[in-house]
Amino acid sequence: QKEVEQNSGPLSVPEGAIASLNCTYSDRGSQSFFWYRQYSGKSPELIMFIYSNGDKEDGRFTAQLNKASQYVSLLIRDSQPSDSATYLCAVMKGGTSYGKLTFGQGTILTVHP
Amino acid sequence: NAGVTQTPKFQVLKTGQSMTLQCAQDMNHNSMYWYRQDPGMGLRLIYYSASEGTTDKGEVPNGYNVSRLNKREFSLRLESAAPSQTSVYFCASSLAMAQGGETQYFGPGTRLLVL
Repeated sequence: QKEVEQNSGPLSVPEGAIASLNCTYSDRGSQSFFWYRQYSGKSPELIMFIYSNGDKEDGRFTAQLNKASQYVSLLIRDSQPSDSATYLCAVMKGGTSYGKLTFGQGTILTVHP
Repeated sequence: NAGVTQTPKFQVLKTGQSMTLQCAQDMNHNSMYWYRQDPGMGLRLIYYSASEGTTDKGEVPNGYNVSRLNKREFSLRLESAAPSQTSVYFCASSLAMAQGGETQYFGPGTRLLVL
């Protein structure tokens, strides 16, 4: 089992719809969770991070964390064509692994007009 | 404030050649990282440096060496390049967050092709 797994894509949604991206992780000691967006040919850029159970909202983006079930998700409301990108889930453990991120394989999102 | 910079942007090597990828950050971050990204595999950590003078192996260190020259600079060296090292290489540096954890900021990447 991979340490961090994302739902297989690609994911295609119409403009204005909600895009739902999911990520599961295997290490219960994981402390912080990150969502990065990566446009084709570019470097990853941070969208959101979450470290407590529940929801965290930032504009059209909502991150949801459920540590008991070991999953984290990203919802994008009112999806726009400019949201089309690869979304990377990353997990940071504690202890000696503090600061190091383990990434999922990424989910490609396409928002079509 | 340039953030994280990497050189070169693109490089072609022949098998067995050596090269050094350069990375510098001007954000006064303590921690720096080197990743490689291959299709369908996300980013995998090669080496990281928690502070000036320290380095440690990540998930895929074989075939690579690193040097944390000072707080700003962290270089990645391929001593004898192999076709399996064809990849996109990203450098990152991180800032501790008030809530705990660290946020990583990425450079633009170096695309390496080994023939």
